[in-house]
Amino acid sequence: QKEVEQDPGPLSVPEGAIVSLNCTYSNSAFQYFMWYRQYSRKGPELLMYTYSSGNKEDGRFTAQVDKSSKYISLFIRDSQPSDSATYLCAMSANTGGFKTIFGAGTRLFVKA
Amino acid sequence: DTGVSQDPRHKITKRGQNVTFRCDPISEHNRLYWYRQTLGQGPEFLTYFQNEAQLEKSRLLSDRFSAERPKGSFSTLEIQRTEQGDSAMYLCASSLGVIGDDEQFFGPGTRLTVL
Repeated sequence: QKEVEQDPGPLSVPEGAIVSLNCTYSNSAFQYFMWYRQYSRKGPELLMYTYSSGNKEDGRFTAQVDKSSKYISLFIRDSQPSDSATYLCAMSANTGGFKTIFGAGTRLFVKA
Repeated sequence: DTGVSQDPRHKITKRGQNVTFRCDPISEHNRLYWYRQTLGQGPEFLTYFQNEAQLEKSRLLSDRFSAERPKGSFSTLEIQRTEQGDSAMYLCASSLGVIGDDEQFFGPGTRLTVL
């Protein structure tokens, strides 16, 4: 079993839809949770960075962390064609190693 | 441009050849990471540096791989005797190294193709 599980999709939605992306994990030591956006043939770009449980909102993006369920989510409101990309969840433990584990990524297509 | 830069962006080589990639992190960042990403997968951690010290290496980093960060600034990743399975995107990231706020910023990557 992988430490971080993420549905690879693809996920196709119409413009303006609310998108929900999710990851589950098995390592209870994870404390830091990130979402990255990656366009084709580019490096990942950090979207959201959260510590421990709770919600964080930034513009159209909301990140949720539920440590009791080992489940994290990213919501995108009013999705745009420019949001079409691969979304990677990532997480790391507070053990001093700072090794970050990534999910496989979910490919999102937003249709105009 | 003050982001992370990587050179070259693309490298095509024949099996058995050695290749070296360079990463220039954001100037004030003291942590530097190397990752490998294959098609349809997320980045896989290879190694990271705190200043010039290499503090952690993944078991993915075989004896053919070596990374250096000699002056705590730029870093190089060398792959010796390349194999077709080494074909991947090699990503570099840097961070400030502050506990509780250690955001990693990625470069554009070096795409390696081994023929």
